[in-house]
Amino acid sequence: GQNIDQPTEMTATEGAIVQINCTYQTSGFNGLFWYQQHAGEAPTFLSYNVLDGLEEKGRFSSFLSRSKGYSYLLLKELQMKDSASYLCAVRAAGNKLTFGGGTRVLVKP
Amino acid sequence: GAGVSQSPSNKVTEKGKDVELRCDPISGHTALYWYRQSLGQGLEFLIYFQGNSAPDKSGLPSDRFSAERTGGSVSTLTIQRTQQEDSAVYLCASSFLTGTYNEQFFGPGTRLTVL
Repeated sequence: GQNIDQPTEMTATEGAIVQINCTYQTSGFNGLFWYQQHAGEAPTFLSYNVLDGLEEKGRFSSFLSRSKGYSYLLLKELQMKDSASYLCAVRAAGNKLTFGGGTRVLVKP
Repeated sequence: GAGVSQSPSNKVTEKGKDVELRCDPISGHTALYWYRQSLGQGLEFLIYFQGNSAPDKSGLPSDRFSAERTGGSVSTLTIQRTQQEDSAVYLCASSFLTGTYNEQFFGPGTRLTVL
């Protein structure tokens, strides 16, 4: 079966850093995705990891450890517009994505 | 270019009625996916199309749910004899099948409310 866990909610202050953890147990692994979803909107692609290590894209970075079944998304220099849900998703065999429940991040002034 | 579009954006129906949801993927995307998202929850996979065939329909909750795709483009998701537990946002996504990421691009969703 597939199991993906991430915290339900996190709160941080504008300008700070937040790290969202994701652990997974899946039968097969062919990449891990992070998506951002603002309330009432469609998810939008943030990052992709298939090899171990850190991928950096501006204020957002994503890390993967395949041996530990673990990933995190790091958001730096938080802005109010970063308040959203962040979805961790694993692609196993084929192209289907299995999503975690999402982490709602609230950025406070 | 245009993104993934879905119609209708909102649908309110009575329990027991059939509904049809439509998805227009990004032009050239071979793969098409349907997901369901209940309030405050993550996305639940329903079905995946590669061209017009569905190699993975493992997420369809019951035989009341069916989907088809024609011409390698538009897809419709049909829910027969709707139940209140079918109320959710139904999201469609599309992607290429070859490439580095093959990330899925999502449409805005159809919010289905079954009274």
